[in-house]
Amino acid sequence: GAVVSQHPSWVICKSGTSVKIECRSLDFQATTMFWYRQFPKQSLMLMATSNEGSKATYEQGVEKDKFLINHASLTLSTLTVTSAHPEDSSFYICSASSSSEQFFGPGTRLTVL
Amino acid sequence: AQTVTQSQPEMSVQEAETVTLSCTYDTSESDYYLFWYKQPPSRQMILVIRQEAYKQQNATENRFSVNFQKAAKSFSLKISDSQLGDAAMYFCAYRRPFGGMRFGAGTRLTVKP
Repeated sequence: GAVVSQHPSWVICKSGTSVKIECRSLDFQATTMFWYRQFPKQSLMLMATSNEGSKATYEQGVEKDKFLINHASLTLSTLTVTSAHPEDSSFYICSASSSSEQFFGPGTRLTVL
Repeated sequence: AQTVTQSQPEMSVQEAETVTLSCTYDTSESDYYLFWYKQPPSRQMILVIRQEAYKQQNATENRFSVNFQKAAKSFSLKISDSQLGDAAMYFCAYRRPFGGMRFGAGTRLTVKP
């Protein structure tokens, strides 16, 4: 199956700083990438959909100015958590899609102190 | 809006026995996909089985099979000959073509030796 990577796998940052998470499709071109967040012992919640070369579409309740998404190429999407606060601490997972299939990355654990 | 409901927060099964996990969903769409994902402690999302809504035949993957009742909007997962390695969180998911996933709350499956 197709491989999707995320970097970093784990990050700790201070409150008020910004953190960038990368999502890469390693062996296929992803026209669409999705970002999810998962709080401890909860389910995955879709945050946004990003299509290569266009602005991301955010789900209701997700602040687009706080969670900046860039999908500059067919193999890379980035999620930047701006001015992070402890309540942003979560597990962030991306998925990449080439057609009808979606493939999940391994996730990034963000801890904001 | 599409919603996915998993009414069993926890399930337990004896090794080698069969267990069924329940899932219902709500949508007004006619074309969509349904999935069961397994999430072990590593939190990597692993696709167990998928079902296209237009297919009447229930999907099967080795020991895993689904009972897809489109009119009732029900999509249960049956695991036969349960193994210790099947223990994990299981998420039912829905998505429209080219859309992001909508996940249920999850069912934690325990397998007893």
